[in-house]
Amino acid sequence: DAGVIQSPRHEVTEMGQEVTLRCKPISGHDYLFWYRQTMMRGLELLIYFNNNVPIDDSGMPEDRFSAKMPNASFSTLKIQPSEPRDSAVYFCASSFDNSRDSEAFFGQGTRLTVV
Amino acid sequence: AQSVAQPEDQVNVAEGNPLTVKCTYSVSGNPYLFWYVQYPNRGLQFLLKYITGDNLVKGSYGFEAEFNKSQTSFHLKKPSALVSDSALYFCAVRDHTGRRALTFGSGTRLQVQP
Repeated sequence: DAGVIQSPRHEVTEMGQEVTLRCKPISGHDYLFWYRQTMMRGLELLIYFNNNVPIDDSGMPEDRFSAKMPNASFSTLKIQPSEPRDSAVYFCASSFDNSRDSEAFFGQGTRLTVV
Repeated sequence: AQSVAQPEDQVNVAEGNPLTVKCTYSVSGNPYLFWYVQYPNRGLQFLLKYITGDNLVKGSYGFEAEFNKSQTSFHLKKPSALVSDSALYFCAVRDHTGRRALTFGSGTRLQVQP
């Protein structure tokens, strides 16, 4: 398996534009997580899914952020409209958690810059 | 609510010397504890985890961690540091309840000098 795949690796956009980040989890994993990493706030959980259903979205900063998982092999994180303070590295991770103790596998991240 | 504290922003150690990266946690009930490493411009890579049983856990690349329940700590250790170990290290915790997401510490940058 190629691991968790995120695209794009880098995204530069202008303030006010819509941004869509994509994630393909490891095949067979039933949990998918979106994290954001910044210098100021470290690694923050934004949302996670179980079997394509959002379970906890309490970390989503505001209504400008939305996430979907239309099927087991694909998820998107959308920001509309984007703002400079959204600049961060966004990570997707997945796990197979039949026993609650499984580790999560991370993608390489998308570095988002909003100018 | 669960939380993780990594009290050191940076740890400096000479190559060949032992290293310790500190982590303390707060969680209801028994914890699941994890260490991850992040190299520049890369995602987080799993190093090791504590679930139950032996308090000393061995992981990848010669790293190990010691779980201490009374001190609520899970310090990462390596007997002999390599320059290539220089990276950002994250401790993470999850409890035994329904929430499956990991809560991460703020990270500790390890710098190993030749």
